[in-house]
Amino acid sequence: DIQMTQSPSSLSASVGDRVTITCRASQDSDRWVGWYQQKPGKAPKSLMYGASSLETGVPSRFSGSGSGTDFSLTISNLQPEDFATYYCQQYHCFPPTFGGGTKVEFK
Amino acid sequence: EMQLLESGGGLAQPGGSLRLSCEVSGFTFSAHAMGWVRQAPGKGLDFVSVISSSGDIPHYADSVRGRFTISRDNSRDTLFLQMSSLRAEDTAIYYCAKKKEAVPDYFDFWGQGTLVIVSS
Repeated sequence: DIQMTQSPSSLSASVGDRVTITCRASQDSDRWVGWYQQKPGKAPKSLMYGASSLETGVPSRFSGSGSGTDFSLTISNLQPEDFATYYCQQYHCFPPTFGGGTKVEFK
Repeated sequence: EMQLLESGGGLAQPGGSLRLSCEVSGFTFSAHAMGWVRQAPGKGLDFVSVISSSGDIPHYADSVRGRFTISRDNSRDTLFLQMSSLRAEDTAIYYCAKKKEAVPDYFDFWGQGTLVIVSS
Protein backbone atom coordinates (compact mmCIF):
# COMPACT_ATOMS: atom_id res chain seq x y z
CA ASP A 1 0.00 0.00 0.00
CA ILE A 2 1.11 3.57 -0.63
CA GLN A 3 1.83 5.37 2.64
CA MET A 4 0.92 9.05 2.82
CA THR A 5 2.90 11.09 5.33
CA GLN A 6 1.56 14.51 6.21
CA SER A 7 3.47 17.30 7.91
CA PRO A 8 3.17 18.99 10.20
CA SER A 9 0.70 16.99 12.30
CA SER A 10 -0.53 20.29 13.73
CA LEU A 11 0.11 23.98 13.33
CA SER A 12 -0.99 27.21 14.96
CA ALA A 13 -1.94 30.15 12.81
CA SER A 14 -3.86 33.40 12.86
CA VAL A 15 -6.63 34.75 10.69
CA GLY A 16 -5.07 36.17 7.55
CA ASP A 17 -2.02 33.88 7.60
CA ARG A 18 -0.88 31.73 4.73
CA VAL A 19 -0.41 28.09 5.70
CA THR A 20 1.00 25.16 3.78
CA ILE A 21 0.50 21.47 4.54
CA THR A 22 2.65 18.89 2.83
CA CYS A 23 1.99 15.27 1.98
CA ARG A 24 4.60 12.79 0.84
CA ALA A 25 3.67 9.52 -0.86
CA SER A 26 5.81 6.42 -0.40
CA GLN A 27 5.48 5.68 -4.13
CA ASP A 28 4.84 7.72 -7.26
CA SER A 29 1.18 8.80 -7.18
CA ASP A 30 1.27 10.87 -10.39
CA ARG A 31 -1.31 13.60 -9.63
CA TRP A 32 -3.88 11.26 -8.17
CA VAL A 33 -4.13 13.01 -4.82
CA GLY A 34 -7.07 14.64 -3.11
CA TRP A 35 -7.54 16.77 -0.02
CA TYR A 36 -10.31 16.81 2.58
CA GLN A 37 -11.27 19.12 5.43
CA GLN A 38 -12.84 17.81 8.62
CA LYS A 39 -14.24 19.81 11.50
CA PRO A 40 -14.82 18.26 14.95
CA GLY A 41 -17.83 15.96 15.00
CA LYS A 42 -18.48 16.45 11.30
CA ALA A 43 -18.00 14.40 8.16
CA PRO A 44 -15.02 15.05 5.91
CA LYS A 45 -15.60 17.56 3.15
CA SER A 46 -13.85 17.17 -0.18
CA LEU A 47 -11.69 20.14 -1.18
CA MET A 48 -9.80 19.11 -4.28
CA TYR A 49 -8.77 16.22 -6.48
CA GLY A 50 -6.13 15.69 -9.13
CA ALA A 51 -3.67 17.48 -6.82
CA SER A 52 -5.01 20.92 -7.71
CA SER A 53 -8.60 20.83 -9.03
CA LEU A 54 -10.93 22.56 -6.60
CA GLU A 55 -14.34 21.10 -5.88
CA THR A 56 -17.27 23.31 -6.73
CA GLY A 57 -17.89 25.87 -4.03
CA VAL A 58 -14.46 25.64 -2.42
CA PRO A 59 -12.99 29.14 -1.96
CA SER A 60 -10.11 30.11 -4.20
CA ARG A 61 -7.89 30.77 -1.16
CA PHE A 62 -7.37 26.99 -1.18
CA SER A 63 -4.83 25.73 -3.68
CA GLY A 64 -2.96 22.52 -4.27
CA SER A 65 0.17 21.49 -6.07
CA GLY A 66 2.53 18.63 -6.61
CA SER A 67 3.02 15.43 -8.53
CA GLY A 68 4.85 12.17 -8.09
CA THR A 69 5.55 11.86 -4.39
CA ASP A 70 5.34 15.41 -3.02
CA PHE A 71 2.14 17.36 -2.66
CA SER A 72 0.98 20.44 -0.81
CA LEU A 73 -2.18 22.22 0.21
CA THR A 74 -1.98 25.97 0.74
CA ILE A 75 -4.55 28.17 2.38
CA SER A 76 -3.92 31.83 1.75
CA ASN A 77 -5.59 34.46 3.93
CA LEU A 78 -6.74 31.93 6.57
CA GLN A 79 -10.35 32.49 7.66
CA PRO A 80 -12.01 31.52 10.97
CA GLU A 81 -13.97 28.73 9.25
CA ASP A 82 -10.71 27.16 8.00
CA PHE A 83 -9.62 25.95 11.43
CA ALA A 84 -10.01 22.21 11.00
CA THR A 85 -8.10 19.01 10.30
CA TYR A 86 -6.93 18.37 6.74
CA TYR A 87 -6.25 14.98 5.16
CA CYS A 88 -4.54 14.07 1.91
CA GLN A 89 -5.47 10.90 0.04
CA GLN A 90 -3.88 9.05 -2.84
CA TYR A 91 -6.02 7.14 -5.30
CA HIS A 92 -3.33 6.20 -7.79
CA CYS A 93 -3.13 2.65 -6.46
CA PHE A 94 -5.65 0.46 -4.69
CA PRO A 95 -6.33 0.63 -1.81
CA PRO A 96 -6.79 4.37 -1.54
CA THR A 97 -4.86 5.61 1.48
CA PHE A 98 -5.01 8.72 3.63
CA GLY A 99 -2.43 10.80 5.41
CA GLY A 100 -2.53 11.05 9.18
CA GLY A 101 -4.02 14.53 9.17
CA THR A 102 -2.89 18.07 9.95
CA LYS A 103 -4.79 20.02 12.57
CA VAL A 104 -4.86 23.76 11.91
CA GLU A 105 -5.41 25.49 15.24
CA PHE A 106 -5.94 29.10 16.24
CA LYS A 107 -2.80 30.77 17.57
CA GLU B 1 -29.76 18.77 -2.00
CA MET B 2 -27.52 15.74 -1.82
CA GLN B 3 -27.94 13.65 1.36
CA LEU B 4 -26.37 10.43 2.60
CA LEU B 5 -27.91 9.08 5.80
CA GLU B 6 -26.19 6.19 7.56
CA SER B 7 -27.86 3.94 10.11
CA GLY B 8 -27.36 0.60 11.79
CA GLY B 9 -24.42 1.39 14.03
CA GLY B 10 -24.31 0.44 17.67
CA LEU B 11 -22.69 -1.88 20.16
CA ALA B 12 -21.65 -5.34 19.04
CA GLN B 13 -19.72 -8.09 20.78
CA PRO B 14 -16.42 -9.36 19.40
CA GLY B 15 -17.26 -12.00 16.82
CA GLY B 16 -20.68 -10.48 16.29
CA SER B 17 -22.36 -8.87 13.29
CA LEU B 18 -23.92 -5.59 12.28
CA ARG B 19 -25.47 -4.31 9.07
CA LEU B 20 -25.00 -0.70 8.15
CA SER B 21 -27.27 1.11 5.70
CA CYS B 22 -26.87 4.37 3.83
CA GLU B 23 -29.94 5.94 2.25
CA VAL B 24 -29.17 8.58 -0.35
CA SER B 25 -31.13 11.34 -2.02
CA GLY B 26 -30.44 14.34 -4.21
CA PHE B 27 -28.49 12.54 -6.95
CA THR B 28 -28.83 9.56 -9.27
CA PHE B 29 -27.62 6.81 -6.95
CA SER B 30 -27.46 4.15 -9.64
CA ALA B 31 -24.99 6.21 -11.67
CA HIS B 32 -22.27 6.39 -9.03
CA ALA B 33 -19.89 4.01 -7.32
CA MET B 34 -20.15 4.24 -3.55
CA GLY B 35 -17.91 3.40 -0.65
CA TRP B 36 -17.38 3.14 3.07
CA VAL B 37 -14.57 4.87 4.96
CA ARG B 38 -14.10 4.57 8.71
CA GLN B 39 -12.47 6.63 11.42
CA ALA B 40 -11.47 5.15 14.74
CA PRO B 41 -11.98 7.47 17.73
CA GLY B 42 -9.43 10.28 17.59
CA LYS B 43 -7.72 8.77 14.54
CA GLY B 44 -7.49 9.38 10.81
CA LEU B 45 -9.48 8.11 7.85
CA ASP B 46 -9.29 4.49 6.74
CA PHE B 47 -10.72 3.08 3.50
CA VAL B 48 -13.02 0.09 3.98
CA SER B 49 -14.76 -0.84 0.75
CA VAL B 50 -16.12 0.44 -2.56
CA ILE B 51 -18.69 -0.91 -4.98
CA SER B 52 -19.39 -0.13 -8.62
CA SER B 53 -22.53 1.70 -9.71
CA SER B 54 -24.20 -1.53 -10.82
CA GLY B 55 -23.15 -3.40 -7.71
CA ASP B 56 -21.28 -6.17 -9.48
CA ILE B 57 -17.74 -5.10 -8.63
CA PRO B 58 -16.86 -4.79 -4.93
CA HIS B 59 -13.41 -4.09 -3.55
CA TYR B 60 -12.19 -4.32 0.04
CA ALA B 61 -9.34 -3.26 2.27
CA ASP B 62 -7.24 -6.23 3.37
CA SER B 63 -8.27 -5.59 6.98
CA VAL B 64 -11.93 -6.38 6.27
CA ARG B 65 -11.84 -8.72 3.27
CA GLY B 66 -13.65 -11.95 4.06
CA ARG B 67 -15.48 -10.40 7.02
CA PHE B 68 -17.35 -7.45 5.49
CA THR B 69 -19.64 -7.44 2.46
CA ILE B 70 -20.64 -4.31 0.58
CA SER B 71 -23.82 -4.29 -1.49
CA ARG B 72 -26.39 -1.90 -2.85
CA ASP B 73 -30.03 -1.77 -3.86
CA ASN B 74 -30.39 0.73 -6.66
CA SER B 75 -34.20 0.42 -6.56
CA ARG B 76 -34.09 1.75 -2.98
CA ASP B 77 -31.16 4.16 -3.36
CA THR B 78 -29.45 2.38 -0.48
CA LEU B 79 -25.92 1.18 0.19
CA PHE B 80 -25.16 -1.56 2.72
CA LEU B 81 -22.21 -2.89 4.67
CA GLN B 82 -22.68 -6.29 6.29
CA MET B 83 -20.04 -6.67 8.98
CA SER B 84 -19.32 -10.02 10.62
CA SER B 85 -16.61 -11.52 12.81
CA LEU B 86 -16.25 -8.07 14.33
CA ARG B 87 -13.09 -7.17 16.22
CA ALA B 88 -12.30 -4.44 18.73
CA GLU B 89 -10.23 -2.71 16.05
CA ASP B 90 -13.34 -2.31 13.90
CA THR B 91 -14.61 0.25 16.42
CA ALA B 92 -15.04 3.47 14.44
CA ILE B 93 -17.40 5.93 12.86
CA TYR B 94 -18.37 4.49 9.48
CA TYR B 95 -18.97 7.02 6.73
CA CYS B 96 -20.86 6.32 3.54
CA ALA B 97 -19.36 8.26 0.64
CA LYS B 98 -20.12 8.94 -3.00
CA LYS B 99 -17.29 8.37 -5.45
CA LYS B 100 -16.67 11.24 -7.82
CA GLU B 101 -17.54 10.43 -11.41
CA ALA B 102 -14.54 9.60 -13.58
CA VAL B 103 -12.13 9.93 -10.62
CA PRO B 104 -11.14 6.54 -9.21
CA ASP B 105 -11.55 6.00 -5.47
CA TYR B 106 -11.89 9.68 -4.56
CA PHE B 107 -15.01 10.56 -2.61
CA ASP B 108 -16.69 13.90 -3.22
CA PHE B 109 -19.59 13.70 -0.77
CA TRP B 110 -19.84 12.05 2.63
CA GLY B 111 -22.61 11.17 5.06
CA GLN B 112 -22.49 12.13 8.73
CA GLY B 113 -21.46 8.65 9.81
CA THR B 114 -22.70 5.95 12.16
CA LEU B 115 -20.73 4.78 15.19
CA VAL B 116 -19.85 1.13 15.61
CA ILE B 117 -18.46 -0.03 18.96
CA VAL B 118 -17.14 -3.55 19.29
CA SER B 119 -16.78 -4.49 22.92
CA SER B 120 -17.73 -7.20 25.36
